[in-house]
Amino acid sequence: GENVEQHPSTLSVQEGDSAVIKCTYSDSASNYFPWYKQELGKGPQLIIDIRSNVGEKKDQRIAVTLNKTAKHFSLHITETQPEDSAVYFCAASNVDSSYKLIFGSGTRLLVRP
Amino acid sequence: DTAVSQTPKYLVTQMGNDKSIKCEQNLGHDTMYWYKQDSKKFLKIMFSYNNKELIINETVPNRFSPKSPDKAHLNLHINSLELGDSAVYFCASSQGDQVGTEAFFGQGTRLTVV
Repeated sequence: GENVEQHPSTLSVQEGDSAVIKCTYSDSASNYFPWYKQELGKGPQLIIDIRSNVGEKKDQRIAVTLNKTAKHFSLHITETQPEDSAVYFCAASNVDSSYKLIFGSGTRLLVRP
Repeated sequence: DTAVSQTPKYLVTQMGNDKSIKCEQNLGHDTMYWYKQDSKKFLKIMFSYNNKELIINETVPNRFSPKSPDKAHLNLHINSLELGDSAVYFCASSQGDQVGTEAFFGQGTRLTVV
């Protein structure tokens, strides 16, 4: 089955700096890669996603890149703000044959004012 | 309006008890899920239902029994609770028949077994 590894487990950056979180996956059939943000006491919320037919996607300060050959994808947050502080999860899914998301272990991002 | 709502938000109970967590979604989605988040924040799928039919059961002990009376509801009943069941349980839903669709999560139910 699919296995998703995520690094780093914790990340502390100064406000205004960039943050990068990396994930690798094992199942080459995976074709959908969402990123979720989880704030304290809340459920995960989708912030950006990418499908396997696309190499990069950007939404304002957030971007995701996908390297299918190497089976890894990354989340990039630019101009970080204190409200970006949260736990971020990557996930992978083969939406052609499965309805489940396999999550990475999470990255706790702290943005220092 | 809350998209995915689950109750209760907190649940403290003794070992050996039976408890239920309810989940409802008003998004019109066909697919609903239960995920378990342990103390290290690791999120793992437990069950998935599509149009009231069980499609995924990730080797969860049979003390856990999901029930889907209609496609807007997926409740989780847990028998003979054990200390190791303490976790945060998240219900989620998605439009499962579309490629790469967003899963919407509820706010979670923090279960503490003492």
